[in-house]
Amino acid sequence: GAGVSQSPSNKVTEKGKDVELRCDPISGHTALYWYRQSLGQGLEFLIYFQGNSAPDKSGLPSDRFSAERTGGSVSTLTIQRTQQEDSAVYLCASSTRPPGQENYGYTFGSGTRLTVV
Amino acid sequence: AQSVAQPEDQVNVAEGNPLTVKCTYSVSGNPYLFWYVQYPNRGLQFLLKYITGDNLVKGSYGFEAEFNKSQTSFHLKKPSALVSDSALYFCAVRAFTGFQKLVFGTGTRLLVSP
Repeated sequence: GAGVSQSPSNKVTEKGKDVELRCDPISGHTALYWYRQSLGQGLEFLIYFQGNSAPDKSGLPSDRFSAERTGGSVSTLTIQRTQQEDSAVYLCASSTRPPGQENYGYTFGSGTRLTVV
Repeated sequence: AQSVAQPEDQVNVAEGNPLTVKCTYSVSGNPYLFWYVQYPNRGLQFLLKYITGDNLVKGSYGFEAEFNKSQTSFHLKKPSALVSDSALYFCAVRAFTGFQKLVFGTGTRLLVSP
């Protein structure tokens, strides 16, 4: 597509439930990133996929969080047994292969606002 | 470790006045520096970047930023603010080598009053 698409745009879930957030990156973008935006916390890096390489999971806050990227395209972020502190906007971004390329930057989706009640 | 600091949670400026949103960075080696803007209920939009070359970088919507290596700063500026510039602004850095991801600051809310 023309941009990065995320769904759902809003999600309200009960504490303890599992949720899945979806990201459809720009066609041809090999790199895909998940960030979390919490009030007053800025953007917190969660996970990074680059092509067929092993993902960089260094930002995932706990083992309740996981993500996968199928076929090098669509990615799903899963949060198990949600907690109230998981409430945030989850942003996905994609980019072309970065090293040495001057036009390195991200294209962000509009995010999924997750509210855990 | 690479990081950026945005020391101001909020900047207030009157329409027509110049604006500055501050950012300092810490990174090993040469930095890639970026500014993004977020309007309400929207994703982040790219404003401008510094990779190499001239220290003054011009971007979208009349914004510019000055890379200052000695002060490790990359402040965002605009000569004449508009009410429509009111938004949340994020500075970000990436090392030339190593981590393949952007590290963002905590954001600065810009409020431009009529």
